[in-house]
Amino acid sequence: GNSVTQMEGPVTLSEEAFLTINCTYTATGYPSLFWYVQYPGEGLQLLLKATKADDKGSNKGFEATYRKETTSFHLEKGSVQVSDSAVYFCALAEPNSGYSTLTFGKGTMLLVSP
Amino acid sequence: EPEVTQTPSHQVTQMGQEVILRCVPISNHLYFYWYRQILGQKVEFLVSFYNNEISEKSEIFDDQFSVERPDGSNFTLKIRSTKLEDSAMYFCASVPSGRADTQYFGPGTRLTVL
Repeated sequence: GNSVTQMEGPVTLSEEAFLTINCTYTATGYPSLFWYVQYPGEGLQLLLKATKADDKGSNKGFEATYRKETTSFHLEKGSVQVSDSAVYFCALAEPNSGYSTLTFGKGTMLLVSP
Repeated sequence: EPEVTQTPSHQVTQMGQEVILRCVPISNHLYFYWYRQILGQKVEFLVSFYNNEISEKSEIFDDQFSVERPDGSNFTLKIRSTKLEDSAMYFCASVPSGRADTQYFGPGTRLTVL
């Protein structure tokens, strides 16, 4: 079956540091890949996505590239801010899963200090 | 901006009791989902709902669970006889179409079964 594996958190960084959160996946077909973010007290929000190999999703300074050869979708940001503190979830959806349910990783908490 | 809302934010119940978790999806959305996250574990798909019936459900969604859209606005998840292992964060999501990348999530209900 499908699965998503994320690096364990929390990830603790100082403001303006470089961020990488690793994500690898297992899927039977060619999934779409997503990063969701959950700020404290809020729901899951779509951060970025990629639908095919070598696509790069980007939003709010975050980027992730769909790497089929390594089955990875690592999240990166060049300079984090305190406001980026949140839990980040990597997820996939199989294109032929009917109503496109999402398979999530466990989530990685990011804590950014001033 | 329209958002998905969930009530209550935290529900505490005794083992064996029935609970109903409520969600108000975005008004023009057509597909509805429940996910759950046991503390420290992955976000897991429970059930999807379209056109007033269940369209897909996971192995977790057994006879103790049911979903309903009683009045065209609310979308509820009922657990008939709660078990300790039902303690989790429950997320509702709604989607304007069947595409996974447009899932809009609520803030979640934390269910604690004592």
